[in-house]
Amino acid sequence: GDSVTQMEGPVTLSEEACLTINCTYTATGYPSLFWYVQYPGEGLQLLLKATKADDKGSNKGFEATYRKETTSFHLEKGSVQVSDSAVYFCALSGQASSNTGKLIFGQGTTLQVKP
Amino acid sequence: DSGVTQTPKHLITATGQRVTLRCSPRSGDLSVYWYQQSLDQGLQFLIQYYNGEERAKGNILERFSAQQFPDLHSELNLSSLELGDSALYFCASSVVVGGRGNEQFFGPGTRLTVL
Repeated sequence: GDSVTQMEGPVTLSEEACLTINCTYTATGYPSLFWYVQYPGEGLQLLLKATKADDKGSNKGFEATYRKETTSFHLEKGSVQVSDSAVYFCALSGQASSNTGKLIFGQGTTLQVKP
Repeated sequence: DSGVTQTPKHLITATGQRVTLRCSPRSGDLSVYWYQQSLDQGLQFLIQYYNGEERAKGNILERFSAQQFPDLHSELNLSSLELGDSALYFCASSVVVGGRGNEQFFGPGTRLTVL
């Protein structure tokens, strides 16, 4: 079945450092790919998404490119801020004709940014 | 604020008991999803309803059930509770069911503690 694998956390960075959180997936066809963020005590919020190969999703300085050849959707940011401290989830929604839009999530990666 | 509301925010109960979690989707959203977030299982899809009808089932235990009412709010019923049911339960909603890149909006969650 479909699955998502994220790099283990926690990830601790200093402010203004570069961020990469790796995400790879297993799915048939061309799933839609998402990054969601969960701030402490809150629900998940969509950060960015991509729906076809080579698409780049971007938002709030974060970017991720849908790589079909490597089945990856790595999250990147050039300069992190303390306010980026949160848990980041990579997720996919399958392409199958029976797709209902349900999301399959990775394990989540905790990011802590220190001033 | 995603526009999705969940009540109660916290729930503490004993093993063997039954609880009901409530979710009100965003105005206009017909599709409701339930997810469970636990330390050992991560974020898992439980069940989905669309306009009052069940559309998809995930790893939902037989002790759990859900429904969506004519006003589109949904309830998740958990019975014969066990310690392992302690988790954060999220509700999410979307306008449609399925579709590429269909965004889901998440509520703040209900934290269930079974003692």
